[in-house]
Amino acid sequence: DAGVIQSPRHEVTEMGQEVTLRCKLISGHNSLFWYRQTMMRGLELLIYFNNNVPIDDSGMPEDRFSAKMPNASFSTLKIQPSEPRDSAVYFCASSFSPPGGGGVDTQYFGPGTRLTVL
Amino acid sequence: GQSLEQPSEVTAVEGAIVQINCTYQTSGFYGLSWYQQHDGGAPTFLSYNALDGLEETGRFSSFLSRSDSYGYLLLQELQMKDSASYFCAPEAMDSNYQLIWGAGTKLIIKP
Repeated sequence: DAGVIQSPRHEVTEMGQEVTLRCKLISGHNSLFWYRQTMMRGLELLIYFNNNVPIDDSGMPEDRFSAKMPNASFSTLKIQPSEPRDSAVYFCASSFSPPGGGGVDTQYFGPGTRLTVL
Repeated sequence: GQSLEQPSEVTAVEGAIVQINCTYQTSGFYGLSWYQQHDGGAPTFLSYNALDGLEETGRFSSFLSRSDSYGYLLLQELQMKDSASYFCAPEAMDSNYQLIWGAGTKLIIKP
């Protein structure tokens, strides 16, 4: 398996522009997590989906951020408009959560997208 | 509320053994995961403890004491490639059963 795929790997944009980050889950996985990592704030969970449904978006910073899962294997994280403080590495991770839950589900991270907003 | 403590940095010598401690405070604790992240890389899963005791995976072992809200990661026969950040990540009811991430421990290995 190719693992979690993220694109682009690097993005440099100017303040006010729209940014779209993309993520392809590992085949067969049904949970998707978007994280943001900075030196100051560490690794922060932004939102996670289970079976295409957003379960917890309490980590999404503000209305400028939105995430979607148009199908079971693909997700996007959009920032509109972008601001310099959004500069960070954005990771998506996927896992398989069996029906009924129980036990931790190992998260497999993509390589990340390094976003720089000027 | 939640809290998570790990040392910010640990230094060890190649070939030695090092222990990275983790204490946590959560409500409805379920289990403790450990992840490794090299500079410029993504976190990768190392181990998981749901029950008290030691779990061994090659050179790495992870320990959990639920009554003490404490765990540690033990790395043996250290190699230069083990230089990385290590995160303990508890899973608990008050985090909606999602992983709680702290700042991690940066492990520096000297020859």
